Amino acid sequence: KNEVEQSPQNLTAQEGEFITINCSYSVGISALHWLQQHPGGGIVSLFMLSSGKKKHGRLIATINIQEKHSSLHITASHPRDSAVYICAVRADSNYQLIWGAGTKLIIKP
Amino acid sequence: EAGVTQFPSHSVIEKGQTVTLRCDPISGHDNLYWYRRVMGKEIKFLLHFVKESKQDESGMPNNRFLAERTGGTYSTLKVQPAELEDSGVYFCASSQDGWRGEQYFGPGTRLTVT
Repeated sequence: KNEVEQSPQNLTAQEGEFITINCSYSVGISALHWLQQHPGGGIVSLFMLSSGKKKHGRLIATINIQEKHSSLHITASHPRDSAVYICAVRADSNYQLIWGAGTKLIIKP
Repeated sequence: EAGVTQFPSHSVIEKGQTVTLRCDPISGHDNLYWYRRVMGKEIKFLLHFVKESKQDESGMPNNRFLAERTGGTYSTLKVQPAELEDSGVYFCASSQDGWRGEQYFGPGTRLTVT
């Protein structure tokens, strides 16, 4: 079992829907990252957070340290949001990034 | 400001051959990281440079992999000899503030070993 679990693995939704992607982890962390990987392959960092909530445009990331859980929300989803969304945690034991398997999101027009 | 660049974007080699991947970090970033995703698996950490020194190479899979960062600028990752299971996407990232800082990722090099 991976130390970082994401759900769902795949998600298909209609344009405009509210999207939630979940990330649970089992190790002590100092930070959690949400990243986006487009079909072209490049990875873009969306958020780095260690507590509370962050918002950037239509994207919102929350983290509950006690429950070891984070969520990424997309409001008013758009086909250009289609990508793989990856959760990665920075372990506080050795500071390495431990990666989830990713959630493949498809937004249909 | 130029981002992290990687070369080549795609490499196809035969088993037993040697391949060298290159990563150019963002100028001024002392920290450079290598990661890889092999087919069907999560992205895994390979190693971390601070300037030209290997800070953490605990993720390197075996001694067929050699990473260097001479002069503390660009880095190379050599695989010699390549095996089928080395196929995957190799990502490089750089940051200014070590593990505490945001990492900026390159586009990746897709390696296919046949």
